[in-house]
Amino acid sequence: NAGVTQTPKFRVLKTGQSMTLLCAQDMNHEYMYWYRQDPGMGLRLIHYSVGEGTTAKGEVPDGYNVSRLKKQNFLLGLESAAPSQTSVYFCASSYNPGTGSPDTQYFGPGTRLTVL
Amino acid sequence: AQSVTQLGSHVSVSEGALVLLRCNYSSSVPPYLFWYVQYPNQGLQLLLKYTTGATLVKGINGFEAEFKKSETSFHLTKPSAHMSDAAEYFCAVSDLDYGGSQGNLIFGKGTKLSVKP
Repeated sequence: NAGVTQTPKFRVLKTGQSMTLLCAQDMNHEYMYWYRQDPGMGLRLIHYSVGEGTTAKGEVPDGYNVSRLKKQNFLLGLESAAPSQTSVYFCASSYNPGTGSPDTQYFGPGTRLTVL
Repeated sequence: AQSVTQLGSHVSVSEGALVLLRCNYSSSVPPYLFWYVQYPNQGLQLLLKYTTGATLVKGINGFEAEFKKSETSFHLTKPSAHMSDAAEYFCAVSDLDYGGSQGNLIFGKGTKLSVKP
């Protein structure tokens, strides 16, 4: 049971480049989330998903897109990276309908992204 | 809308001293409240949570928090700090709408705890 995993762990991009961050969970969770963490700002929700094939915007969605084609995976895309997107990105998941409640989120180890 | 305020971005205590990290929230519905801990270069780990029932909640590593509705507070305490407690701590409130299901978390800005030998 690996929990929540994120790929890659580190990445450096140039302005205008694109990339996709992958989040995978093996806990049969329905809900998945993408956050960004910036110094002094806490964590801010980018996008989330309450089930396979569904996504919704969070607090800071601009410049990002997401997809949830499979229940266990949640992808975060940057189509044209900007220096303001330099951050640490965390994925989280919650809610196994058979065993848990929606409230507890489990976090991945993070992806540190630098945009030059 | 829900919000969370953590008083003090940095708290320093001596090993063996009391740890007190402050969190105040605002919520239009009965809140679900959480404390998460983040060790350097790691993800967040749940310390404890309050959903319903007993207002004094015990978590991992000897931490506990008390939900005080009248004060809209959920302060985190530990009687005796250990060097291994040095980390960043985040308070969060859920915007779970009873009858809804998202469980989105609203985080405070975090408090870095330093423990001096």
